Amino acid sequence: QKEVEQDPGPLSVPEGAIVSLNCTYSNSAFQYFMWYRQYSRKGPELLMYTYSSGNKEDGRFTAQVDKSSKYISLFIRDSQPSDSATYLCAMSPITQGGSEKLVFGKGTKLTVNP
Amino acid sequence: DTGVSQDPRHKITKRGQNVTFRCDPISEHNRLYWYRQTLGQGPEFLTYFQNEAQLEKSRLLSDRFSAERPKGSFSTLEIQRTEQGDSAMYLCASSLDYRDEKLFFGSGTQLSVL
Repeated sequence: QKEVEQDPGPLSVPEGAIVSLNCTYSNSAFQYFMWYRQYSRKGPELLMYTYSSGNKEDGRFTAQVDKSSKYISLFIRDSQPSDSATYLCAMSPITQGGSEKLVFGKGTKLTVNP
Repeated sequence: DTGVSQDPRHKITKRGQNVTFRCDPISEHNRLYWYRQTLGQGPEFLTYFQNEAQLEKSRLLSDRFSAERPKGSFSTLEIQRTEQGDSAMYLCASSLDYRDEKLFFGSGTQLSVL
C-alpha cells in the first residue's frame, strides 16, 4: 500500500460545478497537508496548506482534513475552465529535525468544460 | 521574477551521455529539494540540502546521480551515463528553513533520453 493514495481521474465537470478531490494516507506521522495545482509542463504551484483537522477556506477553495480517518479533501466552488489542471495532494511528517520531505499523491487530472 | 528558476527547461540527450541541471532557489531560502516526476505520477523525492549540506538522499538516487549546492545558493544535479529510464521531469523546490513545510517549485527540466 502506498503512503498516499489519490484517484488519478480524469475528472470532467461543467463550468460552475463544485469539484471534490480526495486523498487518503496511511502514515499517522503526517501532520502537514498541502494541495498543489500543476498545469501541463509546469511545476506544482502551492494552493492550500493546513496542519490541523478541520476546514480551511481561501476564496473558491476549501481544504478539509480528517486525521482520524486519514482523509483529506479539496473542494473547488464555482469551477472555471482556468481550474483545469492536475491537482496533487502532498503531506509531510514532523520530526525532530523539523520539516521533512513531502510525499505526493499521483494527482487528479481535472477538466472544467465551458 | 523571484521564484525558483531551473535551467534548461528541456534537455534531449543520447543514452550514455552526462547531463547537468541547475536550480536557483528563492533568495534567502535555506532548504533546496530535488524531485523527479514521471508521466501520470506525483513528484518523488530525490534529495535535499540545508544550506550547503546534503541531508538526505532517496534510494532512487543511484550512484550515477550527484547533487551539489556549493555556498548554499544554487544547486546542480548531474546524471552520468544516462539511461532511458532517466527520462522524466526534474523539479527543484525551495523552502525558507527547516520550520517551513511549504515548498515552492520551479518549472522543472524535462529530460528525454533517446
